[in-house]
Amino acid sequence: DAGVTQSPTHLIKTRGQQVTLRCSPKSGHDTVSWYQQALGQGPQFIFQYYEEEERQRGNFPDRFSGHQFPNYSSELNVNALLLGDSALYLCASSSASGIYTGELFFGEGSRLTVL
Amino acid sequence: KQEVTQIPAALSVPEGENLVLNCSFTDSAIYNLQWFRQDPGKGLTSLLLIQSSQREQTSGRLNASLDKSSGRSTLYIAASQPGDSATYLCAVISNTGGFKTIFGAGTRLFVKA
Repeated sequence: DAGVTQSPTHLIKTRGQQVTLRCSPKSGHDTVSWYQQALGQGPQFIFQYYEEEERQRGNFPDRFSGHQFPNYSSELNVNALLLGDSALYLCASSSASGIYTGELFFGEGSRLTVL
Repeated sequence: KQEVTQIPAALSVPEGENLVLNCSFTDSAIYNLQWFRQDPGKGLTSLLLIQSSQREQTSGRLNASLDKSSGRSTLYIAASQPGDSATYLCAVISNTGGFKTIFGAGTRLFVKA
């Protein structure tokens, strides 16, 4: 049973560029959430996707956008990269019942460095 | 606005010691609370999930308790081992203002052999 998989594991970009990160949820899960984790801090909630729609969003600018596909996989896009976007980006999947989100399972993350 | 605080920020103990990690939250209207372990540069591994109607959960040497009324949870680790060295994070799902997961900053644990 494959867990949550994320790609790429590491990437380096320069300021102003755009990046796309990908996530495949754990088998049987239909909800994907994205988090940003700066060094030494806890993960910060970016947004959550369910039934191909953004269901909840944290305090992140519109430069951060996402998408969920019919197979429940998801992408996180960040435009006009800033140095402060350097972080570990984590994807979590869960199985939703109505609007309640159950136990979260995380991938290994994508380490983004912006130069 | 829900805020989650973890104390202490870092902890160093000798092998074999029992220890308690603390997590507090400001808004008691939560759906559940989940404890995670994170190794350096890695993703999060789920340890225990406590539903809002539950008081505690146990898995092996780990026991987590939840007191919603006081906004507190504790993670008890029995007979600590060097392999327990990691950062431990607690997260709550609040049901006010949408179902968002709010994390604490974590407790960095080092168990000395």
